[in-house]
Amino acid sequence: KAGVTQTPRYLIKTRGQQVTLSCSPISGHRSVSWYQQTPGQGLQFLFEYFSETQRNKGNFPGRFSGRQFSNSRSEMNVSTLELGDSALYLCASSYKDSPGYEQYFGPGTRLTVT
Amino acid sequence: GESVGLHLPTLSVQEGDNSIINCAYSNSASDYFIWYKQESGKGPQFIIDIRSNMDKRQGQRVTVLLNKTVKHLSLQIAATQPGDSAVYFCAENIVGTYKYIFGTGTRLKVLA
Repeated sequence: KAGVTQTPRYLIKTRGQQVTLSCSPISGHRSVSWYQQTPGQGLQFLFEYFSETQRNKGNFPGRFSGRQFSNSRSEMNVSTLELGDSALYLCASSYKDSPGYEQYFGPGTRLTVT
Repeated sequence: GESVGLHLPTLSVQEGDNSIINCAYSNSASDYFIWYKQESGKGPQFIIDIRSNMDKRQGQRVTVLLNKTVKHLSLQIAATQPGDSAVYFCAENIVGTYKYIFGTGTRLKVLA
């Protein structure tokens, strides 16, 4: 079975621009979560989607948004980019629709904001 | 590769020795825990999990111990190998939510 895939793997953007990242979960997985990873803050939860519905959201500003499609693929969008948004953005998928089950991560998208 | 954390605590062990990585979790309402391994340039890789109704769980060369009284997790790796060199994170799932809180991570260095 193919793992979680994320595109693009690397991205360079300028302050003020917006960006969209994509995540395809493991086949059969319907829960998709997004995380931001930085050296200073570590791994921080952004949001989780299941059946096109956001079920949980982390403590990030409204510039960070996401959505999920009927095929479980998910996108996250960051508008009005700031230098501090430079990070590795990770997507994870889970096959269970209830909390408390293993989630598997993709390789991440490395976003650099200049 | 990408730097996961610039100032992570580091554990250095000799190849063949056992490693113990510790994690203090934050929320007494957490009822499910995962250990992840992250190598440079890659996403976290699932190693082993444990539920709050257990104290110990064993996998292949790894054991996780859970002490709910002091909110502490540990990951034991037997016969540590060079391929075990990575950053290890614990993650806790707060009961009833889909949110995971990750620890700061520990860098494991295996010395030949």
